[in-house]
Amino acid sequence: DAKTTQPPSMDCAEGRAANLPCNHSTISGNEYVYWYRQIHSQGPQYIIHGLKNNETNEMASLIITEDRKSSTLILPHATLRDTAVYYCIVGYGQNFVFGPGTRLSVLP
Amino acid sequence: GAGVSQSPSNKVTEKGKDVELRCDPISGHTALYWYRQSLGQGLEFLIYFQGNSAPDKSGLPSDRFSAERTGGSVSTLTIQRTQQEDSAVYLCASSLVLLARDTQYFGPGTRLTVL
Repeated sequence: DAKTTQPPSMDCAEGRAANLPCNHSTISGNEYVYWYRQIHSQGPQYIIHGLKNNETNEMASLIITEDRKSSTLILPHATLRDTAVYYCIVGYGQNFVFGPGTRLSVLP
Repeated sequence: GAGVSQSPSNKVTEKGKDVELRCDPISGHTALYWYRQSLGQGLEFLIYFQGNSAPDKSGLPSDRFSAERTGGSVSTLTIQRTQQEDSAVYLCASSLVLLARDTQYFGPGTRLTVL
C-alpha cells in the first residue's frame, strides 16, 4: 500500500504557482520523498526527490516539513502542459509504491 | 533509441491466450523495471532486473506472469492463460543504475485488453 495521502484533484490558474500537498506521517528515517507526474497516455516522469532538505531543480521545488511528515511540490508558474497526475512516493530501495496521485488541472 | 520503447503499444487478446510484452531500455541502463497500471489506479510494481538477474519475483501477481531479460538489454514480460483482470497498461522503466530513481525513465506502456 502507498504510504502517502494526496488530494485526488486540484485546479490551478495558468501562470500561478501550483502547490501540491502530500502527507506521509509514517515515513521512516531512510526513506526519500519522490515526485513523479504522468501526462495523459504517457509513462510517468521523474520530477524531484529529497530526504529532509528542501530541493529545487528546473522543474519544481520540493518543501519538506521539519518533522518530514508532509511535503509540498511547487510548480512556480504552472502552464497548460503541466496538467497531469502528480504522484508523491515515499520509499527506499525496492520499496516504491505509487498511489492514486493528485490530478492537477491547469486552467487558462 | 533515445528513450525506453515498448511493443506492442496495444494488444487485444482473448481470455486464456498467452501474451508477450517487450521492453527496450535506454542503452547503457543496467536496471529495468516492470509496472502495471489498471484503469484509474496508481502504478503497481511487478519486478526489476539488475543486469539479467531478477532477485525478487514476489511482486508478480501470479505464477502466470514471468519475465526475463537477455544481454542486459531487452526484457519480455509474459502472461500465460490471460484473464480479464490482467487488462491494464504495462509500463517498463530503466535507470542508469539500480534504484537510481532520478535517472529512471518510463516507456509509453503497452495497453493490454483481455476479452
